[in-house]
Amino acid sequence: NAGVTQTPKFRILKIGQSMTLQCTQDMNHNYMYWYRQDPGMGLKLIYYSVGAGITDKGEVPNGYNVSRSTTEDFPLRLELAAPSQTSVYFCASRKGGREKYGYTFGSGTRLTVV
Amino acid sequence: DQQVKQNSPSLSVQEGRISILNCDYTNSMFDYFLWYKKYPAEGPTFLISISSIKDKNEDGRFTVFLNKSAKHLSLHIVPSQPGDSAVYFCAASEETSGSRLTFGEGTQLTVNP
Repeated sequence: NAGVTQTPKFRILKIGQSMTLQCTQDMNHNYMYWYRQDPGMGLKLIYYSVGAGITDKGEVPNGYNVSRSTTEDFPLRLELAAPSQTSVYFCASRKGGREKYGYTFGSGTRLTVV
Repeated sequence: DQQVKQNSPSLSVQEGRISILNCDYTNSMFDYFLWYKKYPAEGPTFLISISSIKDKNEDGRFTVFLNKSAKHLSLHIVPSQPGDSAVYFCAASEETSGSRLTFGEGTQLTVNP
């Protein structure tokens, strides 16, 4: 059981480039999330999805886009990368209901924009 | 507006002693609280949670206490072990927000042998 898988683990982008961070979960979870973590800061919610075909903005959505065409996949798209998007990105999922059993997180993608 | 705050960036304790990590929140609508542990180069791992209808939840060496009137929760680890050295995040949610989590900044716990 792989859980939540994120690719790539590391990436360096030039300003203005675009890329897609991949996230896949094999637990049949309905809810999926993208967070970013900046040094000394907590995790900030970028986008989330409550099921296939449904997405919504979190606290810091500007500069990002998402799609949820299947239950398993929740890719995060960065258009026109900026240095402010240098961060560690975490994808997470949970089955549903309240958070009693917590989210399952991927191992993260470390992105540097230069 | 930081709704969940962990005011101590770091904490150092001796092996076998108690570790107490603190968390404060401002949003009175939060009704579920969780603690996550994070090792370097890994994603956060769920540790323990507590509903606002309780004031204590225990799981082995880990106990979470909730003081709703003070909007404060704490995580106690007894006894502390070197393997507990990690960053600990406090998180909170409210049902009306779609159960999204709001995280604190994290506290780096170091347990010295």
